[in-house]
Amino acid sequence: EDQVTQSPEALRLQEGESSSLNCSYTVSGLRGLFWYRQDPGKGPEFLFTLYSAGEEKEKERLKATLTKKESFLHITAPKPEDSATYLCAVLAYGGSQGNLIFGKGTKLSVKP
Amino acid sequence: DGGITQSPKYLFRKEGQNVTLSCEQNLNHDAMYWYRQDPGQGLRLIYYSQIVNDFQKGDIAEGYSVSREKKESFPLTVTSAQKNPTAFYLCASELGRSGANVLTFGAGSRLTVL
Repeated sequence: EDQVTQSPEALRLQEGESSSLNCSYTVSGLRGLFWYRQDPGKGPEFLFTLYSAGEEKEKERLKATLTKKESFLHITAPKPEDSATYLCAVLAYGGSQGNLIFGKGTKLSVKP
Repeated sequence: DGGITQSPKYLFRKEGQNVTLSCEQNLNHDAMYWYRQDPGQGLRLIYYSQIVNDFQKGDIAEGYSVSREKKESFPLTVTSAQKNPTAFYLCASELGRSGANVLTFGAGSRLTVL
């Protein structure tokens, strides 16, 4: 069964304290892995798409990496405005058209 | 600005009532989706539509219905058959129909059953 697991469920950091969020996946064939950011009471916003192992993408303080089993979202020197829930989603070959498999998310809190 | 508009943002329903959540997009996207989000769970797909007048059931379609009469609009009806409808509902759209493209989400509608 295709599955996406995010860890930790919650992460509390001090401003400037770098860390990483994990998204491990089990799918028959990876078509794409997506990272989204979601603020409380709002819809998710797209951050990155990764397609193959070894791929990396960066945006400001965020860097996403991909291996054959997992993806990491590295946050360098985070600021309080980075506080949000980060969602990982996987699209597998052979799955229903358009059916992303979402993880439960990691809630990040950055304290000043 | 292009985007997705969901309304209402908050909705209260009495047991036995049907309610309809609106989703409108001006992005000229082909595919549209409805997801349900519950605390501690990942987003779950209710219905999706790749073209006008066509839609498919997702993983949790029971108790829900949709229509796609216009490209811009994809309303979701939560029927009285849905036993646990209290949740946060998210509408999304995608340029193209492959399912491999980026989803653009609306701001969500929170439904509470009284």
